[in-house]
Amino acid sequence: EAGVAQSPRYKIIEKRQSVAFWCNPISGHATLYWYQQILGQGPKLLIQFQNNGVVDDSQLPKDRFSAERLKGVDSTLKIQPAKLEDSAVYLCASRSPRKSYEQYFGPGTRLTVT
Amino acid sequence: GENVEQHPSTLSVQEGDSAVIKCTYSDSASNYFPWYKQELGKGPQLIIDIRSNVGEKKDQRIAVTLNKTAKHFSLHITETQPEDSAVYFCAASIGDTGRRALTFGSGTRLQVQP
Repeated sequence: EAGVAQSPRYKIIEKRQSVAFWCNPISGHATLYWYQQILGQGPKLLIQFQNNGVVDDSQLPKDRFSAERLKGVDSTLKIQPAKLEDSAVYLCASRSPRKSYEQYFGPGTRLTVT
Repeated sequence: GENVEQHPSTLSVQEGDSAVIKCTYSDSASNYFPWYKQELGKGPQLIIDIRSNVGEKKDQRIAVTLNKTAKHFSLHITETQPEDSAVYFCAASIGDTGRRALTFGSGTRLQVQP
């Protein structure tokens, strides 16, 4: 089966600009996650969706970050306005209802804020 | 919430030697412990996982052990090869409800010297 797809792979923006990332999970995976991975650290959860509903967004900086998952498939994560400390890799992961424990990650989008 | 500590942060071994990476977790309710391998420019790849009802699991050269009482788990790689060089992350979650995303350790950079 095809893996988790993400785009773009790289993005460079100036601070205070806005940016959006896209994720297409593995077909049939109802649960979708966005993680932020700062250089040299482990991924940290930003938001978790079950179908098109939000399960956990407690660690999402809601003053500047937003995410949606229309129709319970693709998802977009937006940052507006970006700060220097948002420079990181943004990873999307999905989980199968059949293999309910395993999460599969996409390649990530590397964001650089200058 | 859950906190996962991972050691060492870097590990260098000779090809053919064994490598061991250790993690501790704080939430006794956690019951799912995956290990991910992340190569440069790629997303984390699930290599092995263990659930709390099992003490040890092995897959070819890779094994994971879990001590629930002490709340620690370890990754063992035997007969290391240069292609094992990567960053390895441990993680923990409460897997059965699906409502808790993974909490990751800070990563171990493994270098296998030919």
